[in-house]
Parts: sequence; C-alpha cells; structure tokens
Amino acid sequence: IVMTQTPLSSPVTLGQPASISCNSSQSLVHSDGNTYLSWLQQRPGQPPRLLIYKISSRFSGVPDRFSGSGAGTDFTLKISRVEAEDVGVYYCMQATQSPLTFGGGTKVEIK
Amino acid sequence: EVQLVESGGGLIQPGGSLRLSCAASGFTFRTYSMNWVRQAPGKGLEWVSYINSGSSTIFYADSVRGRFTISRDNAKTSLYLQMNSLRVDDTAVYYCVRDQGYDWGQGTLVTVSS
Repeated sequence: IVMTQTPLSSPVTLGQPASISCNSSQSLVHSDGNTYLSWLQQRPGQPPRLLIYKISSRFSGVPDRFSGSGAGTDFTLKISRVEAEDVGVYYCMQATQSPLTFGGGTKVEIK
Repeated sequence: EVQLVESGGGLIQPGGSLRLSCAASGFTFRTYSMNWVRQAPGKGLEWVSYINSGSSTIFYADSVRGRFTISRDNAKTSLYLQMNSLRVDDTAVYYCVRDQGYDWGQGTLVTVSS
C-alpha cells in the first residue's frame, strides 16, 4: 500500500493551526473493521514516536492539540495550536496490510 | 515504561555481516509482534522485517530478502537482525519497533563503506 503525504513542508506561525494530509493507494479498512492508520512524530535527532493510532486515538502522553480524522483512503492530522516543541517531521503509517508502509513525511517548521 | 534498546551497529565494509540486537522491557514481549524499520541519512522510514510473537510468521522487504534474517528469543525478551552481504545502500539507522508502531527504540547506526 502506497502512502502519499501533502504538503512536503509546512511553515507555521507559533500558536496557529497546522494540517497534514495522507492518502493511501487502497482502503485501509481491515477485515476486523478497524482502520490501522497512524501518525508518527520525529523531532530533530530523535527516533519516531507514535502520536495517533486507528485514525484518531491519541497515544499515551500525547497532548490534545493533536487530532486525527479521516476514513477509507484519506486522512488528516491537525495540530490546533503549534508549539515550538512540535517542530519535526510527521509521517503517516498504515498497518492494515503487511508490510508496514509510511508516507514520505511532512516537515513542520516555524515561520 | 516500555524500553527498546538496540545495539550492534557500526562501520562495516561492503559484503560484511553484522548482527543487531534489541533488548525489550516494560511489556509482555512474548505476546507482541516486532519489526525492524530503517532510516537512511536524511531520508524517510523504510520497513525492513516483521516477526510475529511465536516466530511462525516472518516477512522481509524485497531489498533485504535473502540477506537479512530476523529472529527473537522470548525468554531473553530480545529481537535480532542478522545482516549478511551488506551493501552501501543498507547504510541507515535501524529501529526496533513494537507491533504496529506503538514504541520505537533509539536506533543503532549501520554504516556500510569501504
């Protein structure tokens, strides 16, 4: 499954919202009824960490300014008010069908 | 607290071999599938290999099939990646990843260069 993210880069003013889109080449609805679409954050010099799983569930410790939405093949990650610590690269990832596949990444930076 | 600690990376010549290890703690290792995911310098994430909880199901990326072998020891709560016939384009940080990406290790850098 091919994952396509837009935009490649997102310059944002502190305190303003940011939005990242992810499209999959086929539906991510699993036979069990779940949609295994996740969002990862990779801060500079750090490993990736899980932010959102199953489209919209926030992982442990993730601030509520991060939210996920979507269905089928189109998904969105939103940051309601960007903070300095949100700078980094964001990846969508699907786990509906093996193998895991990732979007190309979106770099969030401060204007 | 979940911890995944990779080790075994380093500088190796093309054609050489390395064995990566991942020591897991903070969760019931034997009940989770595991993955290796790599990231070449300045690039995105690439899935490398998958092993289910009982080692009965294993998958590899086309780019490493026949050269890399994934394995695990549930008694030692450890995951391994044996890498043979290494190529320059295998240069990357290799991450140990729990299940569907729930937790990631810090990574270990493998550099293949003459």
